[in-house]
Amino acid sequence: QQQVKQSPQSLIVQKGGIPIINCAYENTAFDYFPWYQQFPGKGPALLIAIRPDVSEKKEGRFTISFNKSAKQFSLHIMDSQPGDSATYFCAARGTGGFKTIFGAGTRLFVKA
Amino acid sequence: GAGVSQSPSNKVTEKGKDVELRCDPISGHTALYWYRQSLGQGLEFLIYFQGNSAPDKSGLPSDRFSAERTGGSVSTLTIQRTQQEDSAVYLCASSLSQGSDTQYFGPGTRLTVL
Repeated sequence: QQQVKQSPQSLIVQKGGIPIINCAYENTAFDYFPWYQQFPGKGPALLIAIRPDVSEKKEGRFTISFNKSAKQFSLHIMDSQPGDSATYFCAARGTGGFKTIFGAGTRLFVKA
Repeated sequence: GAGVSQSPSNKVTEKGKDVELRCDPISGHTALYWYRQSLGQGLEFLIYFQGNSAPDKSGLPSDRFSAERTGGSVSTLTIQRTQQEDSAVYLCASSLSQGSDTQYFGPGTRLTVL
């Protein structure tokens, strides 16, 4: 019940394409859903996050779609660029909690 | 920039040896987390410190793992009698407080146990 399941494991798209990464959770106590971006040799960095009271959030080329009833959320990267090539982690945290549960990660490669 | 720093960046050790990994959080951040990232895996929570409260050690995989945080700032993760399965990247993160949403990660320490 504490897991966050992330797919796909890896993804290759052409420049300008729209990669989509999906995550699913079970615990309805989760109320904060961040996405982290990690480049090789670096620690993860917060990219964008959403709370379940909204169904979509956009920041620049990055969009989170959230489906509370299905307990699923996804990251869309518009007009993807080679510089977006990285590993992306979805995560979830419970109400008033501190323990963040991470998905297994998706390695994205954007071809030039 | 005063981000989270970790040392060493790489550590190679022999099976059975003890290792210490250090984390310097962002100044003023009261919450500190340790995670383990194995090859191709997500981040596994290890331990959490919040101010002067007792740490949450629920993620530590065995009693060979321990961590301290001195003076509410620097933290040390110690792994005793290392095993090959301990090989991973150990990441430290800090946040302004327990309720803060954003965790700021350090670059990690890559541990290799031969």
